[in-house]
Amino acid sequence: RKEVEQDPGPFNVPEGATVAFNCTYSNSASQSFFWYRQDCRKEPKLLMSVYSSGNEDGRFTAQLNRASQYISLLIRDSKLSDSATYLCVVKPFQDDMRFGAGTRLTVKP
Amino acid sequence: EAQVTQNPRYLITVTGKKLTVTCSQNMNHEYMSWYRQDPGLGLRQIYYSMNVEVTDKGDVPEGYKVSRKEKRNFPLILESPSPNQTSLYFCASSSAGRDEQYFGPGTRLTVT
Repeated sequence: RKEVEQDPGPFNVPEGATVAFNCTYSNSASQSFFWYRQDCRKEPKLLMSVYSSGNEDGRFTAQLNRASQYISLLIRDSKLSDSATYLCVVKPFQDDMRFGAGTRLTVKP
Repeated sequence: EAQVTQNPRYLITVTGKKLTVTCSQNMNHEYMSWYRQDPGLGLRQIYYSMNVEVTDKGDVPEGYKVSRKEKRNFPLILESPSPNQTSLYFCASSSAGRDEQYFGPGTRLTVT
């Protein structure tokens, strides 16, 4: 079983739609959680950290459920520029980052 | 400008011909790391370094070497490349105690 699992997609949605991505992780000792964004053939960049109480950054909302070892990312009012691959990242305590394989999103006009 | 640079960006080589991919960061970060990215597998860590002269294996270190003689540089060495090392490679750095990693632009390596 992979340490971090994501639905690979692709998710194809129209502009303005709301889309949600899910991610599960296997290491219950994991302490830190993130969503990174990766544009085609480019380097990953931090989108947002995920906090226990859930957090929001503009149109993006991240949730964490430790009991179920589950992380989610919700994107509201999708823009064409949101088209990218979204990587779920988990950081076990005193260990390095574990990346999911990514979920690909395409937002269409 | 704060950045991580990698060279070369693209490389096609033949089996067995030694190569080095350079990585340099100008943010005075202690932590540096190399990843490879393959379709369906995500980013997998090859080697990492917590500071100068301190390196350790990641999940997929076989066939790779690294060194950290200076804080800013962390080269990745393939002594005898094989076709299964064809991949997209990323170098990353971060500051000690901070979670965000900054990635280089990537090196696309093809071994024939």
